[in-house]
Amino acid sequence: GAGVSQSPRYKVAKRGQDVALRCDPISGHVSLFWYQQALGQGPEFLTYFQNEAQLDKSGLPSDRFFAERPEGSVSTLKIQRTQQEDSAVYLCASSSTRGARETQYFGPGTRLLVL
Amino acid sequence: AQKVTQAQTEISVVEKEDVTLDCVYETRDTTYYLFWYKQPPSGELVFLIRRNSFDEQNEISGRYSWNFQKSTSSFNFTITASQVVDSAVYFCALSLNYGGSQGNLIFGKGTKLSVKP
Repeated sequence: GAGVSQSPRYKVAKRGQDVALRCDPISGHVSLFWYQQALGQGPEFLTYFQNEAQLDKSGLPSDRFFAERPEGSVSTLKIQRTQQEDSAVYLCASSSTRGARETQYFGPGTRLLVL
Repeated sequence: AQKVTQAQTEISVVEKEDVTLDCVYETRDTTYYLFWYKQPPSGELVFLIRRNSFDEQNEISGRYSWNFQKSTSSFNFTITASQVVDSAVYFCALSLNYGGSQGNLIFGKGTKLSVKP
């Protein structure tokens, strides 16, 4: 079956622009995570959804970052007034249930470059 | 606080050599889950293995094997007879149990493995 997909794969933004990154999880997956991966680093947690409910947004670095999953499937990560330090790869992952032992499956990521 | 340490930043081997990637984790929780992911140059994180804290049995899958030792808080990954296609960045990760619900993954910084022909 289809895996996690993300779009766009690459995004170049001018500083100050707003961007929207999309994640399509595996069909039927309950849990959805967003991570940020800086160059040469491991991914770092941003936010977590269980169906349409955003249960944890403790990793969002500032109030310029906003995520939603209104119908419990597709999710959008929005970054307002982008800054150069927002340049990173944004990874989305989904898992089939909310259970603690579940495995997260990742999409290919969106590489964001802010000039 | 939870933490994952991958002390080896980069490893370079020649094809057919065996290589072990080290992972040390820190947590005070008694229930937790450990993972290894592979990130090839294409960028997508590929799941390799999950291990829960109550299962210290080592696992072998083809050329891959994993050694989990709670006594040393380590979860090391060995590739036997390495191949060029094994070249990638490998991440070890930890997640916790929040009353039965899933937590986010806490990643190490990764080990870049280069396998030369």
